Amino acid sequence: AQSVTQPDARVTVSEGASLQLRCKYSSSVTPYLFWYVQYPRQGLQLLLKYYSGDPVVQGVNGFEAEFSKSNSSFHLRKASVHWSDSAVYFCAVSRGTGSKLSFGKGAKLTVSP
Amino acid sequence: AQTIHQWPVAEIKAVGSPLSLGCTIKGKSSPNLYWYWQATGGTLQQLFYSITVGQVESVVQLNLSASRPKDDQFILSTEKLLLSHSGFYLCAWSLAGTGEVFFGKGTRLTVV
Repeated sequence: AQSVTQPDARVTVSEGASLQLRCKYSSSVTPYLFWYVQYPRQGLQLLLKYYSGDPVVQGVNGFEAEFSKSNSSFHLRKASVHWSDSAVYFCAVSRGTGSKLSFGKGAKLTVSP
Repeated sequence: AQTIHQWPVAEIKAVGSPLSLGCTIKGKSSPNLYWYWQATGGTLQQLFYSITVGQVESVVQLNLSASRPKDDQFILSTEKLLLSHSGFYLCAWSLAGTGEVFFGKGTRLTVV
């Protein structure tokens, strides 16, 4: 079974500052890893995904994430946040095709002016 | 381009009343389909998944049922709602061979 831990439930950063949202996973096999974003009262949108290869993956809107097998982590980063980035961010893991996608509890990001 | 449509957008229902939520995926043939539930402010929990018409697997028991009457349609239902059914229901799809899951805009259910 796989699981995801997002240790920071609420994060507040100033507009223009850098951001890191942490994600630790547990999986018996090399997982597929995802970051999703959920804006208020909306569904989830995929930011980026990692299957294999280069451990740093680029996503939409300037987001990137780095996979670390040794640390079992998949942290999300952004160099300069904008107020419109305020949302809830979910890290998710699966074992691949058709298997269950397990989500972390989410991190609510607030970008202050 | 593929689209996923969920209906209704929101529902307010009484305890003990029936419920039917729907989801349609257009532009993809034979997708894997999923229902997720999200408590207010909470994480997402997978409820059901289906890899083909007429075949649905339950992941958790919440006194809900799901059916896939057509390749592009996924229905979530119950005959008697409980207060604990309140939350946000998300339909999602993926293609076999990828782990990527795409979500609909969700249905907000309030049971009173």
